[in-house]
Amino acid sequence: GAVVSQHPSRVICKSGTSVKIECRSLDFQATTMFWYRQFPKQSLMLMATSNEGSKATYEQGVEKDKFLINHASLTLSTLTVTSAHPEDSSFYICSARDALGTGSYNEQFFGPGTRLTVL
Amino acid sequence: QKEVEQNSGPLSVPEGAIASLNCTYSDRGSQSFFWYRQYSGKSPELIMSIYSNGDKEDGRFTAQLNKASQYVSLLIRDSQPSDSATYLCAVGLGNQGGKLIFGQGTELSVKP
Repeated sequence: GAVVSQHPSRVICKSGTSVKIECRSLDFQATTMFWYRQFPKQSLMLMATSNEGSKATYEQGVEKDKFLINHASLTLSTLTVTSAHPEDSSFYICSARDALGTGSYNEQFFGPGTRLTVL
Repeated sequence: QKEVEQNSGPLSVPEGAIASLNCTYSDRGSQSFFWYRQYSGKSPELIMSIYSNGDKEDGRFTAQLNKASQYVSLLIRDSQPSDSATYLCAVGLGNQGGKLIFGQGTELSVKP
C-alpha cells in the first residue's frame, strides 16, 4: 500500500517552455500532497502544500505564478513549471498523506521524482 | 525558524557493525518523527516513524526518541552494503497540516 506515482520521470525542455508534472496516489486517497525540490547533495526543500479542492499554500520565496499547483481530486495533484529556465533544473518530488489517517497522521509517502533539465 | 540538524557525514562502518545516526530538532511542539532512506538519484523511502519517547524496533532498525532532549536517533544493526544511502531525519510540525521539516541528511557508507 501507500504507492505514489509521478510522471514524467525525466524531462528535458528548452528555456521558456512550460512543464507539467503529475503526482498520483494509487491505492489511497490524499487530501494533502506536498511538492519538494532537491538540488544535488542537498536536502529536500518544501515548495508548497497542495490541498484537494483549494488553493495551494506556498513556502516563503516560492513564486506561485511560476510554480502552478492544482489538486483537482483526492488522487491527483499537478505541478506546472511555467516559462522554465536553466535555474529551474532540479529533482522535483511529490509526496502524499493518507486522508483516512491511520494514527500516523503525518506520514508522507513519496513519488519517484521527476528530474527536470532546462536547456 | 524550525530546524532539524543532522551530521552530514559521511559515516563509514564495516559490514555487520551497528550504524548510529543522530538528529536534533528545535520545535518542542513536534509530535511525529521519521527516518527516510534515500539512495542516490532516487526519492526518499520511509523506513521508520516514531511518536512516543523510547525505542521502536523494526527488523534491523531501531528508532529512539527523547522529546525532553529534542533528540531522535536511528540504529541499524548488522549493517549491509545495501544500507549505504543518505538517511534523512524528518520532524512533523504541530498544527501545520502535516508539514515535515527535513534535516540535511547523513550519508552512510557500509564497507564490505
